[in-house]
Amino acid sequence: DAKTTQPNSMESNEEEPVHLPCNHSTISGTDYIHWYRQLPSQGPEYVIHGLTSNVNNRMASLAIAEDRKSSTLILHRATLRDAAVYYCILPPSPGAQKLVFGQGTRLTINP
Amino acid sequence: DAMVIQNPRYQVTQFGKPVTLSCSQTLNHNVMYWYQQKSSQAPKLLFHYYDKDFNNEADTPDNFQSRRPNTSFCFLDIRSPGLGDAAMYLCATSRDRAGYEKLFFGSGTQLSVL
Repeated sequence: DAKTTQPNSMESNEEEPVHLPCNHSTISGTDYIHWYRQLPSQGPEYVIHGLTSNVNNRMASLAIAEDRKSSTLILHRATLRDAAVYYCILPPSPGAQKLVFGQGTRLTINP
Repeated sequence: DAMVIQNPRYQVTQFGKPVTLSCSQTLNHNVMYWYQQKSSQAPKLLFHYYDKDFNNEADTPDNFQSRRPNTSFCFLDIRSPGLGDAAMYLCATSRDRAGYEKLFFGSGTQLSVL
């Protein structure tokens, strides 16, 4: 099964960039890397996903290593509202058409 | 506008008393998922529907059932809730199977079992 490894927690300061790492050394060649976040007392929220190339959207950027065994979610300028649990997710097996959550990284933003 | 709607937001039931949680979507997505999230844990996939095709996870207890009468609605039935079933239940949808498509989540139903 494709598994992800993330730090349990990270801390950053408001208005600074945040780099959230994820290791996925068993990823298969066709699996997309997904990132979701969950604010307190809310359902998870889609952040970004990508296959090989780096991806950007209004919320964040996703930098994918050339060998695809790791990726980094980049929040360019953190705000207090970015405090959440961030999940890096892959399908649990090659080509599996579902997403299974790992433990995620709890991000704290200091004012 | 809410696209995945879960009702109720909070549900209290008694030990052993059947309970049904509901989810509706305005996205016309093919796939609907149910996740269970216990306190301080990650969401755990229970099952999903691809259109009318039901897909159960191997470790989902038989106590949990689901119905999808049409594209817009999906229900989670807990036949005999135990204290261990107290959790947040999250409904999600995707246009197609989730390996490539993103998921849209509802706000969840917090279930308490007394």
